[in-house]
Amino acid sequence: GESVGLHLPTLSVQEGDNSIINCAYSNSASDYFIWYKQESGKGPQFIIDIRSNMDKRQGQRVTVLLNKTVKHLSLQIAATQPGDSAVYFCAENTGGFKTIFGAGTRLFVKA
Amino acid sequence: GAGVSQSPRYKVAKRGQDVALRCDPISGHVSLFWYQQALGQGPEFLTYFQNEAQLDKSGLPSDRFFAERPEGSVSTLKIQRTQQEDSAVYLCASSDLGRQVNTEAFFGQGTRLTVV
Repeated sequence: GESVGLHLPTLSVQEGDNSIINCAYSNSASDYFIWYKQESGKGPQFIIDIRSNMDKRQGQRVTVLLNKTVKHLSLQIAATQPGDSAVYFCAENTGGFKTIFGAGTRLFVKA
Repeated sequence: GAGVSQSPRYKVAKRGQDVALRCDPISGHVSLFWYQQALGQGPEFLTYFQNEAQLDKSGLPSDRFFAERPEGSVSTLKIQRTQQEDSAVYLCASSDLGRQVNTEAFFGQGTRLTVV
């Protein structure tokens, strides 16, 4: 079946360091991937997306890498700040109406 | 409004009670989604509307769940005879294109439903 999961449920980093959040997906038919950030008491917030015909995409302080060979997705956050503390979800879409979310990784940023 | 608005923010219902959750999407957004998020989990898809048409309701967990969007804007998610397992945050999202794929969806803050 379709599934999206994360390797690490929690990640703690020092302020100013880079963060890497990993995600594995199982559906090789997925062609669109999204990273969301969710702060406590709020809905998920779009961070960055990538299509299956790309390997890398960069945004402001964030980079998403897609490895289709091993069905792996990662989110890199440069110079992590306290405001980056949140739960991060990867999500996949196979072209239909459903977006499938993973369980999430909680990022703690230590000052 | 500037974003997706959901009401109420919190709802406590007695088991067996009916509840109605409201979603005001971003003005002009064609697509509207409902998700259910259990504590410590990622959101799970419930249903999708394109304008007033409910194109996918495969994620609704039982026939006690019903969603509508009669005029293609505001949507209501209704849960009849609530059960404790219905306790969750219900999230609404909207996007401005007719296709669900490859579009950024904007989420509301959610309604936290607690069934006691």
